[in-house]
Amino acid sequence: QQQVKQSPQSLIVQKGGISIINCAYENTAFDYFPWYQQFPGKGPALLIAIRPDVSEKKEGRFTISFNKSAKQFSLHIMDSQPGDSATYFCAASMSLGGGATNKLIFGTGTLLAVQP
Amino acid sequence: DTAVSQTPKYLVTQMGNDKSIKCEQNLGHDTMYWYKQDSKKFLKIMFSYNNKELIINETVPNRFSPKSPDKAHLNLHINSLELGDSAVYFCASSQWNNNEQFFGPGTRLTVL
Repeated sequence: QQQVKQSPQSLIVQKGGISIINCAYENTAFDYFPWYQQFPGKGPALLIAIRPDVSEKKEGRFTISFNKSAKQFSLHIMDSQPGDSATYFCAASMSLGGGATNKLIFGTGTLLAVQP
Repeated sequence: DTAVSQTPKYLVTQMGNDKSIKCEQNLGHDTMYWYKQDSKKFLKIMFSYNNKELIINETVPNRFSPKSPDKAHLNLHINSLELGDSAVYFCASSQWNNNEQFFGPGTRLTVL
């Protein structure tokens, strides 16, 4: 119930193409779904996040699509660039009573390579 | 300028030793975390502190002891290091009531 399943494990996309990474969860109590980008030797950096009251959120070339009924969400990277080559992690967390901040449950990561 | 910093960046040590990793954040956050990233890059929460109080302890062995001297610092002390402790350890911080967590650059621990 606490797992977040992520696919694919790795992805190769041509420059200018669309990269799509998918995640699925079981626990309907999750109410915050971020995506993190991690370059080699660096810490994960928050890319974009969504809450279940909206079905889509866009920031620049990055879009999260969220399907509450299917318990799935995905990251779309439009016009993918070689500089986007990194590992991407989806995650989920739930709010506790009293507004407590929560642990992030991470997916297993997707290694994206954008070929020039 | 660094928001979340960790020291050291690399730590190589022998089995059985005791070591510490330090974390500091200058974002004014009141909640801090330790995550472990294993060799397969899987990230898992270890601990969370809010205002110096332990909030989350994810069944981590007793050899791991976090300490938060103040809201801006969260250190991780590891006793009797084992080979399986080799991993990258990330500190993160956020504001209570806000899920946005900011990660440090990580400390790569290698136990020989």
